[in-house]
Amino acid sequence: SYELTQPLSVSVALGQTARITCGGDNIGSKNVHWYQQKPGQAPVLVIYRDSNRPSGIPERFSGSNSGNTATLTISRAQAGDEADYYCQVWDSSTSVVFGGGTKLTVL
Amino acid sequence: EVQLVESGGGLVKPGRSLRLSCTTSGFTFGDYGMSWFRQAPGKGLEWVGFIRSRPYGGTTDYAASVKDRFTISRDDSKSIAYLQMNSLKTEDTAVYYCTKYISWPNWFDPWGQGTLVTVSS
Repeated sequence: SYELTQPLSVSVALGQTARITCGGDNIGSKNVHWYQQKPGQAPVLVIYRDSNRPSGIPERFSGSNSGNTATLTISRAQAGDEADYYCQVWDSSTSVVFGGGTKLTVL
Repeated sequence: EVQLVESGGGLVKPGRSLRLSCTTSGFTFGDYGMSWFRQAPGKGLEWVGFIRSRPYGGTTDYAASVKDRFTISRDDSKSIAYLQMNSLKTEDTAVYYCTKYISWPNWFDPWGQGTLVTVSS
C-alpha cells in the first residue's frame, strides 16, 4: 500500500515561512490535499489538488507537488497557525491515505 | 451553509455493535460520496471507508482494519449517512468523523465535529 511520510514536527519563528513536506513514491503524479487540525477540533481543508486554496483560507497558505515530495508552505506564520497538518492522497480509486501528521509550532 | 453532524457515539463493550449517524444539510446529498474517518486518542487521521454517490454506483470500500466488521450505508431521502460497527475492538476507540467528497481523487470537505466511540469492558 502507498505510504506518505511527514516530519513529526516543524518549528517556525513568528512572521517567518514554514514548510511542511509530504514524501511519497512519485507523489507528483497524484493529487495532494492538506488539512489543518487544531486541538479538539475537526480537520479543515487548507489546500486541495496540490496548490489550490478553498475560500476562506488565507493567501499565506500555498502548496506544491513534484517528484517524490509535496510541500505545504505557510508564509508570515502566525500564532493561530499552530496546529497539526496532514497530507492526503488516494492510493487508488478504492483507498485513501494520510501522512502521519506534522505538528507546527510557532515560536 | 453545509453542515455535517455525527451522532451515536458512546461507551460500548468489546464484541458489541454501535451505529453512528451523519446528518447533513446545506448541499445536495445525493450528488456526493460520504466518507468516515477516525482518530484514536493522540494519533493521526485514519480513513475508515466511504460510500459513493448513486451516479458513481453507490458502492462502498473500506480500510483493511475494519473490512468485514463495519458497513457504511446512506439514506438519500433523509440526507444521512450511517456507519454500522460490529464486533468492536478496543483498538476501534477513536473520534469518528464524517465528511463528503464528490469523487476520487478529490478532497474531503467539510468535516463534522466528530463523535467519540470508546470500546472498553
